[in-house]
Amino acid sequence: GAVVSQHPSRVICKSGTSVKIECRSLDFQATTMFWYRQFPKQSLMLMATSNEGSKATYEQGVEKDKFLINHASLTLSTLTVTSAHPEDSSFYICSAPLGGSRANYGYTFGSGTRLTVV
Amino acid sequence: AQSVTQPDIHITVSEGASLELRCNYSYGATPYLFWYVQSPGQGLQLLLKYFSGDTLVQGIKGFEAEFKRSQSSFNLRKPSVHWSDAAEYFCAVGGYQKVTFGTGTKLQVIP
Repeated sequence: GAVVSQHPSRVICKSGTSVKIECRSLDFQATTMFWYRQFPKQSLMLMATSNEGSKATYEQGVEKDKFLINHASLTLSTLTVTSAHPEDSSFYICSAPLGGSRANYGYTFGSGTRLTVV
Repeated sequence: AQSVTQPDIHITVSEGASLELRCNYSYGATPYLFWYVQSPGQGLQLLLKYFSGDTLVQGIKGFEAEFKRSQSSFNLRKPSVHWSDAAEYFCAVGGYQKVTFGTGTKLQVIP
């Protein structure tokens, strides 16, 4: 149980185009989802927190207009990388808390999306 | 501010040997602590978590971790490593909602 499905797993796009990444909670409702970015050989950096029915909360230094987050329903959150550039190439992972909105139960993670911008 | 340090970037152990991965954290209150494992190109899987109670926590795949408040540590252990344990391991500390990850320790298992 408590599975988050992330799609696509890999995407290659041309510089200047936009890419949408979806995360769906399959058997539970996720009022909150987190979006992380992982650079090669580095840890996960929290980009933003998406909340169903309200605006996302972005971490300092993350461009809101470049990384558009929409939490359209209790089971779907999307991250759109707009006007992508090669430096946006990275591994993006979403997660949802297992115990509602609190951290103490841990998180379940999507399988990640490898974005390559050429 | 909360932070996590994993001092070992890369560890190599022989199959069947014991394993300990180190994790030190900084957090202003009682922390929620997690260990995750990531296989190449994959998402993260929760191995175990601690947020109260017994300081020795049992997880999946035979892993355990011990919370030592005096040392601000939450080291991950396994008595006998299997080849399938080769992966990257992340320690994380969290409060309400926000979780901070360490930089990870890559585990290599040799025959």
